[in-house]
Amino acid sequence: QTVVTQEPSFSVSPGGTVTLTCGLNSGSVSSDHFPSWYQQTPGQTPRTLIYSTTTRSSGVPNRFSGSIVGNKAALTITGAQADDESNYYCVLYLGGGISMFGGGTKLTVL
Amino acid sequence: QVTLRESGPALVKPTQTLTLTCTFSGFSLGTLGMCVTWIRQPPGKALEWLARIDWDGDEYYSTSLKTRLTISKDTSKSQVVLTVTNMDPVDTATYYCARNRVDDYDNYIDVWGPGTLVTVAS
Repeated sequence: QTVVTQEPSFSVSPGGTVTLTCGLNSGSVSSDHFPSWYQQTPGQTPRTLIYSTTTRSSGVPNRFSGSIVGNKAALTITGAQADDESNYYCVLYLGGGISMFGGGTKLTVL
Repeated sequence: QVTLRESGPALVKPTQTLTLTCTFSGFSLGTLGMCVTWIRQPPGKALEWLARIDWDGDEYYSTSLKTRLTISKDTSKSQVVLTVTNMDPVDTATYYCARNRVDDYDNYIDVWGPGTLVTVAS
């Protein structure tokens, strides 16, 4: 069974840089998986941050960037701010019309 | 402006069928590349991709839930309906619909509905 993997939690200092990753238990992630990233604070609707690996959604600050690092998709936050403290989810396209969310990473800024 | 909104019962009993409607505006589901995806999130847990319907009527389902899910669209009403059969307390979740853009180079959700909480209890 395919599983999309994310770090359960991560912490970063204000102003620091953090890279969250999104992997596949069955192999490498590539741009063919159209990696996308979503931010969700508790009680709120998810917000689209990054799609197609690297494209920032409208209105998303340029401190958020997406890439492929090694065999995983990655979301990097450069110059983290307090309001970046959220849950971050990635989605990978698995083929056949089906996509899958990762388990999410809870990011703490402290 | 693109908006989506979910509607349906807040409470269903175990074994019942859940029917949710997504009513949207600002785009047409008859337009090439436009799709609607349903996602759910149990309280305190992760998002889960459920199903997608495309502009051409193609339907796609989560492998683990496909025997229980049906997605359909009424393009003229700008609505997408998701049914989930044989509901169980573990299906208690906030259910979201979202616009999904698909082409040869992209596949992503760009606009989310606010979600609707569905509780399964007797």
